[in-house]
Amino acid sequence: DAGVTQSPTHLIKTRGQHVTLRCSPISGHKSVSWYQQVLGQGPQFIFQYYEKEERGRGNFPDRFSARQFPNYSSELNVNALLLGDSALYLCASSFRQGATNTEAFFGQGTRLTVV
Amino acid sequence: KQEVTQIPAALSVPEGENLVLNCSFTDSAIYNLQWFRQDPGKGLTSLLLIQSSQREQTSGRLNASLDKSSGRSTLYIAASQPGDSATYLCAVRLGNTPLVFGKGTRLSVIA
Repeated sequence: DAGVTQSPTHLIKTRGQHVTLRCSPISGHKSVSWYQQVLGQGPQFIFQYYEKEERGRGNFPDRFSARQFPNYSSELNVNALLLGDSALYLCASSFRQGATNTEAFFGQGTRLTVV
Repeated sequence: KQEVTQIPAALSVPEGENLVLNCSFTDSAIYNLQWFRQDPGKGLTSLLLIQSSQREQTSGRLNASLDKSSGRSTLYIAASQPGDSATYLCAVRLGNTPLVFGKGTRLSVIA
């Protein structure tokens, strides 16, 4: 069974451009979350979706947006890219929300470099 | 606000040594705690999940313990190998909230 898949794996963009990152969760998982990880730090929460509804948003500017599709895949969009947006973007999927046995599984990440 | 701290930030040990990585958190009302492994530039691999009602979990050479009352978890790695070299991240979850991560411990196992 396939794990969490993210595309693309690497991306180079210019300041001011727009980027779309994609994530396919594990089959049967209905919850998708996005995290940003800069070098030397732990991942920081950006968005959480469950059953196609936004269930949480981290402390990120409005340039960041996301959505979840009927097949539970998800997109993360970032507008007006800044140099500081350069990071590893991680997608996590889980079967459900709010249970003590909710285990998160992560994809391999998308390395975004803004020049 | 939940804060997660991992000590030490980096650790270098000779092959074969047993070692302990530490994780502490400020809000003891957690639902669960997960330990992850991350290789350089890669995603996170889930190692162990400990639910709030559990005291420990084991997988092969790994054993994780949880003490909610003191806000601490430890990851014990037995008979370390060079292939264990990676960054180990601890993350906690409160109810429906997302995971809150520590900054990780960077482990080097020297052959």
